[in-house]
Amino acid sequence: SQELEQSPQSLIVQEGKNLTINCTSSKTLYGLYWYKQKYGEGLIFLMMLQKGGEEKSHEKITAKLDEKKQQSSLHITASQPSHAGIYLCGADNDYKLSFGAGTTVTVRA
Amino acid sequence: ETGVTQSPTHLIKTRGQQVTLRCSSQSGHNTVSWYQQALGQGPQFIFQYYREEENGRGNFPPRFSGLQFPNYSSELNVNALELDDSALYLCASSKVIPGLAGGPGDTQYFGPGTRLTVL
Repeated sequence: SQELEQSPQSLIVQEGKNLTINCTSSKTLYGLYWYKQKYGEGLIFLMMLQKGGEEKSHEKITAKLDEKKQQSSLHITASQPSHAGIYLCGADNDYKLSFGAGTTVTVRA
Repeated sequence: ETGVTQSPTHLIKTRGQQVTLRCSSQSGHNTVSWYQQALGQGPQFIFQYYREEENGRGNFPPRFSGLQFPNYSSELNVNALELDDSALYLCASSKVIPGLAGGPGDTQYFGPGTRLTVL
């Protein structure tokens, strides 16, 4: 089975600073999804990456999939309180998603 | 466009009881997947329904069962509840196009979840 490891497990960032979250897969990624979750709530879709070397951006969030398709990163520029939450990466395994344990982001004013 | 909805929001049951959770898929979507998320962990895949049939199952025992209806809504049923079944249950819908696996239609959109507590 495919396993995803996220790092760090949690981080605290000062408002306005940048942050990066990593997601490493035990197998080749054929589709990598990033979601955001507020504690105890549903997942909000952020971005999907498929091609090696692919990079996508939405507002201040950029996600990349490395050339070998075994690692992805999520970068937030100039963090805001609205960026606080749990970020989850999910690997596409045919009909299902296999998720990492998540990275908890706290933004301090 | 209506998003994915789930009911109820919260539920408290006792060991041995049975529970039914409900999910309405996003407009235009034909596939529903169910996930269990324990505290501090990522969601774990339970099963998926497409065209009213189970289209894949994770490592969950048979006491976890489901249904999909003609309007693409779905139910998750859990029998003989155990304490470890306490979790957030998430439903996700997607628009699968046969023969086009891996496309953007495969993106799963999640509902707000049902928090189940088993005492």
